[in-house]
Amino acid sequence: NAGVTQTPKFRILKIGQSMTLQCAQDMNHNYMYWYRQDPGMGLKLIYYSVGAGITDKGEVPNGYNVSRSTTEDFPLRLELAAPSQTSVYFCASHPIDRILNTEAFFGQGTRLTVV
Amino acid sequence: ELKVEQNPLFLSMQEGKNYTIYCNYSTTSDRLYWYRQDPGKSLESLFVLLSNGAVKQEGRLMASLDTKARLSTLHITAAVHDLSATYFCAATNYGGSQGNLIFGKGTKLSVKP
Repeated sequence: NAGVTQTPKFRILKIGQSMTLQCAQDMNHNYMYWYRQDPGMGLKLIYYSVGAGITDKGEVPNGYNVSRSTTEDFPLRLELAAPSQTSVYFCASHPIDRILNTEAFFGQGTRLTVV
Repeated sequence: ELKVEQNPLFLSMQEGKNYTIYCNYSTTSDRLYWYRQDPGKSLESLFVLLSNGAVKQEGRLMASLDTKARLSTLHITAAVHDLSATYFCAATNYGGSQGNLIFGKGTKLSVKP
């Protein structure tokens, strides 16, 4: 199993540019998440989704958009990149099963620099 | 609104010593997670705690959950240098339209010889 796959791994954007961070999981998980992690800091939830067609804002959604047209994919869109969006972005997924002793699985991260 | 607080945020330990990291959460949570993160890496799952009184152990790490106090602890026994990393706890409310998974700020652990 590939698990949670994020692309790209690294990206440099100029201020005002747009880009989409891709996230795909092959575990048929219903829940998916996007986090940002600033240097030396914890993870802040940007958006999450409880299933295809359903998304909701997390703690820091401003400047980002998401969509969830399939169970597998959960892309994160930055429309007008700003230096404050320089961060490492992590995507994660979790199965819906409330009984099994399972954790959220994380991708390897995308390191984004906005200059 | 679910909030998660960890303390301490920084912890410098000597090898062989014991210490505990604390994780408090503000509202009812279905489960509590502990993760480890090495510098420049992604998050690695350590423990999933599902019920009050749950205790799990792996090597020198032991995690426990008290849902009444909304408190989880990660106890480190006889620390070794390999345990140096940042440790995060996370809480969640799954079910229905809820699905947020909220992390604490992390505890950066440094184990010195």
